[in-house]
Amino acid sequence: AQSVTQLDSQVPVFEEAPVELRCNYSSSVSVYLFWYVQYPNQGLQLLLKYLSGSTLVESINGFEAEFNKSQTSFHLRKPSVHISDTAEYFCAVILSGGYNKLIFGAGTRLAVHP
Amino acid sequence: KAGVTQTPRYLIKTRGQQVTLSCSPISGHRSVSWYQQTPGQGLQFLFEYFSETQRNKGNFPGRFSGRQFSNSRSEMNVSTLELGDSALYLCASSLSGQGNSPLHFGNGTRLTVT
Repeated sequence: AQSVTQLDSQVPVFEEAPVELRCNYSSSVSVYLFWYVQYPNQGLQLLLKYLSGSTLVESINGFEAEFNKSQTSFHLRKPSVHISDTAEYFCAVILSGGYNKLIFGAGTRLAVHP
Repeated sequence: KAGVTQTPRYLIKTRGQQVTLSCSPISGHRSVSWYQQTPGQGLQFLFEYFSETQRNKGNFPGRFSGRQFSNSRSEMNVSTLELGDSALYLCASSLSGQGNSPLHFGNGTRLTVT
């Protein structure tokens, strides 16, 4: 069975500082990897995804994540955060060829302080 | 293009009652899946439909059911409500339902059971 572990439940950081949100997964078969963001009282928005190819994937708002197969990790990073990045971030996996059964991590609450 | 629409946004029900939640996917998307989000259990997969057929189901009791119509709209029903069913219910749609077709989430229906 697949599982996802987000190593930090909360990450406080000052504005313009770098941040890393950690995600490890467990699976005996190939998976696709995703990061979703959830703002208060909203649904989930796809931040970025790894399906295949380059192990470094980027989003349009400055986040990036690197797939590391040997360490089964997919950590999310941003070199300089803004107040507006305050949200909950979820790492998720799905079996390659699986039907939309996303397995989510418990989430990391990113709090950006001025 | 309109996003995923869920109605209603909020619901308050009493134990023992039943409830129906509605989801309209993005135009052209044929796969609809449902997730339950609670503080204790996090995000959990309920079921996935494609072309009116349930293809995948999570580990929820039979009180949780769903269906999909020919226009891809979906409903989920919870019968004999329990206090523990209080949650944010999220619907997501995708083009094919395959793992490499990212999910687009609605803003959810927040169900409170008293």
